[in-house]
Amino acid sequence: QVQLVESGGGVVQPGRSLRLSCVASGFTFGGYGMHWVRQAPGKGLEWVAVMSFDGSYKKYGDSVKGRFTISRDNSQNTLYLQMSSLKVEDTALYYCAKDAHSTGSSSSSRLTNWGQGTLVAVSS
Amino acid sequence: SYVLTQPTSVSVAPGQTARITCGANQIGSNSVHWYQQKTGQAPVLVIFYDSDRPSGIPERFSGSNSGNTATLTISRVEAGDEADYYCQVWDSSTDHVVFGGGTKLTVL
Repeated sequence: QVQLVESGGGVVQPGRSLRLSCVASGFTFGGYGMHWVRQAPGKGLEWVAVMSFDGSYKKYGDSVKGRFTISRDNSQNTLYLQMSSLKVEDTALYYCAKDAHSTGSSSSSRLTNWGQGTLVAVSS
Repeated sequence: SYVLTQPTSVSVAPGQTARITCGANQIGSNSVHWYQQKTGQAPVLVIFYDSDRPSGIPERFSGSNSGNTATLTISRVEAGDEADYYCQVWDSSTDHVVFGGGTKLTVL
């Protein structure tokens, strides 16, 4: 079955960087678009970024554009999120999620499987 | 940006029908997907393409989408359906995934 396991979260000071990882198994990772979605404590879901199956397409939410970078290594079945210039408001549980399709960027884009998340706390 | 509006909360007695709405301008022209998130758990896709159910999702879950409102309907509500529910679309004008603010379903 599909498994997504995030790691790399922790406590970090404002302005610092952190890299999240998501290891996938149970499906052909290199055939699907992948997303990062976050959820601040007690708040709703906020979409962060998407990358197509081959890495040729990526898109970011407005609140992280220019600070976060999504990437993937299909040989290692791993999705990454490099987070820089972190702010207090970036504090959240970060989920990686598999798209139903290869591009991850279409009207039919939906998140069929989710990991359990990794917690990022930005605090001085 | 495209904004999806959901009621903050919906309450329903066991065995009754819960309806959770998701409003936006001409949302009927978009494909709407719905997620269920129980406390302390990751979201789970329960409806896609407005009204399709992934395998393993009970038939009690259904959806519709027309005009300015999409609706998730849960029939014969059970205590185990208590959760937060989120609608989602793809905004083609920005190439962004957009989530609604979420609705907390309380089973009385």
